[in-house]
Amino acid sequence: DAKTTQPPSMDCAEGRAANLPCNHSTISGNEYVYWYRQIHSQGPQYIIHGLKNNETNEMASLIITEDRKSSTLILPHATLRDTAVYYCIVRVAFNQGGKLIFGQGTELSVKP
Amino acid sequence: SQTIHQWPATLVQPVGSPLSLECTVEGTSNPNLYWYRQAAGRGLQLLFYSIGIDQISSEVPQNLSASRPQDRQFILSSKKLLLSDSGFYLCAWITRGSYNEQFFGPGTRLTVL
Repeated sequence: DAKTTQPPSMDCAEGRAANLPCNHSTISGNEYVYWYRQIHSQGPQYIIHGLKNNETNEMASLIITEDRKSSTLILPHATLRDTAVYYCIVRVAFNQGGKLIFGQGTELSVKP
Repeated sequence: SQTIHQWPATLVQPVGSPLSLECTVEGTSNPNLYWYRQAAGRGLQLLFYSIGIDQISSEVPQNLSASRPQDRQFILSSKKLLLSDSGFYLCAWITRGSYNEQFFGPGTRLTVL
């Protein structure tokens, strides 16, 4: 299974953009990159996913490098409620169960 | 709309006692189903997944087992709990073949004493 590498923690000032990096150098051509976040004691919340093109939704933007070996999640205007653990995940192909294999994630602290 | 139910929300059990956690999904059919566990202060570990009734795949050897007696029902069990079984257990599902989000249930917090 492709693995991801993320910094264990990051700080961000409220109102500024939060840029969370992720390395996934062993990703296969048909595997998608997913981002989830988990606020303490809750289930993970889906943020965004992509294959090779950059993606944007109401929560965030996902920038994937051309070689697909790394990506960056961007929260354009971080708020205190964005404080959470953010997981970058490579989704296993569906003929292998479509599993999400979570790493340790990045603990993002948004400060006033 | 699709919803996922897990119960109980909180459980305290003595070492050596049996366990049964249930997860049910509504509003979809033929989903892939997953059981995850999160130990205190750690990431989520995939325990089991199922692509259909009575089709269970185990990710790690452990003291737990899973069953899927119906399309939208996923059960996590143990005959004798260990202290190390304590944690936050999450059920999740996704529509098979979909590349959309995987939905997570509210979780069960299990404490083994």
